[in-house]
Amino acid sequence: RKEVEQDPGPFNVPEGATVAFNCTYSNSASQSFFWYRQDCRKEPKLLMSVYSSGNEDGRFTAQLNRASQYISLLIRDSKLSDSATYLCVVNMKRAAGNKLTFGGGTRVLVKP
Amino acid sequence: DARVTQTPRDKVTEMGQEVTMRCQPILGHNTVFWYRQTMMQGLELLAYFRNRAPLDDSGMPKDRFSAEMPDATLATLKIQPSEPRDSAVYFCASGKSGTDTQYFGPGTRLTVL
Repeated sequence: RKEVEQDPGPFNVPEGATVAFNCTYSNSASQSFFWYRQDCRKEPKLLMSVYSSGNEDGRFTAQLNRASQYISLLIRDSKLSDSATYLCVVNMKRAAGNKLTFGGGTRVLVKP
Repeated sequence: DARVTQTPRDKVTEMGQEVTMRCQPILGHNTVFWYRQTMMQGLELLAYFRNRAPLDDSGMPKDRFSAEMPDATLATLKIQPSEPRDSAVYFCASGKSGTDTQYFGPGTRLTVL
């Protein structure tokens, strides 16, 4: 089983609609969580951190459920520019230093 | 706007050749990471440096891959000899120890024929 698992999609979303997807992680010692965004043939970029209480950044809402070991990302009022692959990232602090483990990504396609 | 830079951006080589990829981390960042991304495996951590010292290279095939930081402004990843299965995009990322955020470079797209 992979340490971080995501539905690869694609999620086909009409412009203006809401889309949500989850990511599960296997290591309960994981300590911090993030969503990165990766556009086609580009590098991953940090979208937002995920806090235990849940957090919003504009149209994006992230949630963490430690008991069930999953995080979620919700995008409201989808824009064409939201089309990308969203990478779930889990950080485990170790003696050797932090290690970010990336999920395989969920592809989102927003269509007019 | 400070960015991680990587060279070359694209590299096509033949099996058996040596490949060297270079990364310049953001000035002031003291952690450097090398990742490999393929369709099948996604993003995999190959090596991790802090203050130029290698902390973790457990993800790197030891027989043919090597990673170094000759100085604080340059990280290198070498493959010798290269094989077709090494074809991937190699990303370098940098950050500051004590923070989780990593900033990625544009990547080197490697094709080994």
